[in-house]
Amino acid sequence: DAGITQSPRHKVTETGTPVTLRCHQTENHRYMYWYRQDPGHGLRLIHYSYGVKDTDKGEVSDGYSVSRSKTEDFLLTLESATSSQTSVYFCAITSSGGAGNEQFFGPGTRLTVL
Amino acid sequence: AQSVTQLGSHVSVSEGALVLLRCNYSSSVPPYLFWYVQYPNQGLQLLLKYTSAATLVKGINGFEAEFKKSETSFHLTKPSAHMSDAAEYFCAVSSAGGSYIPTFGRGTSLIVHP
Repeated sequence: DAGITQSPRHKVTETGTPVTLRCHQTENHRYMYWYRQDPGHGLRLIHYSYGVKDTDKGEVSDGYSVSRSKTEDFLLTLESATSSQTSVYFCAITSSGGAGNEQFFGPGTRLTVL
Repeated sequence: AQSVTQLGSHVSVSEGALVLLRCNYSSSVPPYLFWYVQYPNQGLQLLLKYTSAATLVKGINGFEAEFKKSETSFHLTKPSAHMSDAAEYFCAVSSAGGSYIPTFGRGTSLIVHP
């Protein structure tokens, strides 16, 4: 199994509070991604990174920011959590940006915003 | 632009019966196609992928998929369902020259009855 961990695995928070989710990899892969999974929507890309300090937006980036100061860590921050951000969040990695490369996924973080 | 449509949010089969999960894609350039499986409370893992070599692709756990360009389809099949196949299945498309980041379908939940 690819070495990808996510923390925390579960979190309950209140509307308006900031939340940071962490993705840590031991594979030294260059590309990292944050997705959210919601019933009926599949996986939707929030942000991705193609190297240290290099990030870009995905299709559902509003309300989220990311940072990558080290190859192994990719942080997702909800600046002011809202109930619509209740979801399961997955981190994924690939070794390169080629279109044929498979993604390796972390175990997910279940976030509930009350 | 690229997109994926998975027909049927739920598919129910009896143990030992044929499994057929449908995926149709849209891509303006030759696609790469993937099937991922997600077991309860886990991340996604790759079942199989098509990268323009053989059109019939064999994956893990007895699954296979056939790329049909004329039908823009990449349906997933397994001759005989097992109880352990019960999971969520996602089809994804990416494309060299287009977006190398995969676009996921909404997922199909496979239910296997004894």
